[in-house]
Amino acid sequence: EDQVTQSPEALRLQEGESSSLNCSYTVSGLRGLFWYRQDPGKGPEFLFTLYSAGEEKEKERLKATLTKKESFLHITAPKPEDSATYLCAVDHGGSQGNLIFGKGTKLSVKP
Amino acid sequence: DTEVTQTPKHLVMGMTNKKSLKCEQHMGHRAMYWYKQKAKKPPELMFVYSYEKLSINESVPSRFSPECPNSSLLNLHLHALQPEDSALYLCASSQEVRRGGYTFGSGTRLTVV
Repeated sequence: EDQVTQSPEALRLQEGESSSLNCSYTVSGLRGLFWYRQDPGKGPEFLFTLYSAGEEKEKERLKATLTKKESFLHITAPKPEDSATYLCAVDHGGSQGNLIFGKGTKLSVKP
Repeated sequence: DTEVTQTPKHLVMGMTNKKSLKCEQHMGHRAMYWYKQKAKKPPELMFVYSYEKLSINESVPSRFSPECPNSSLLNLHLHALQPEDSALYLCASSQEVRRGGYTFGSGTRLTVV
């Protein structure tokens, strides 16, 4: 069965304390892996798309990497405004347009 | 314009009401989606439109009826909903199905009373 698992469920960091979020997946035929940021009551905000193992993307304090089994979202020197839920989603070989979402990691960054 | 705009932002409706949710994008995207998200859960796909034609209906009850009048607009018509249908309804678009990142709107917070 195709699955996307994110860990940890929640992460509390001090401002400036770097860390990583994990997204592991078991899908038949990865066509793309997406990272989103979601603030409470808002829609997900697109961050990155990764297509093949070894690929890396960066944006400000965020860096996403991809292997054949998992993706990491590295957060360097986070600030309180980085607090949000980070969602990982996979486009797989099944129904067209149906992304499989993980349950998300809720990140809290304290000043 | 790099946004997906959803209206209304909040909606309260009774179980006998008929209402519609609207979604608009002007990015030239040819794929549009409706997702439903319950609190503390990931989004769940409801419908996919590709080039204004319905391509996927993920076994959604008939009380939800999608419509794509043109390439920029997507509607979700609601009728005889149940309290358990209360959720955040998200619209998204992409260049084409399976091409490009999905851009999500801010959602409509629906409460059924």
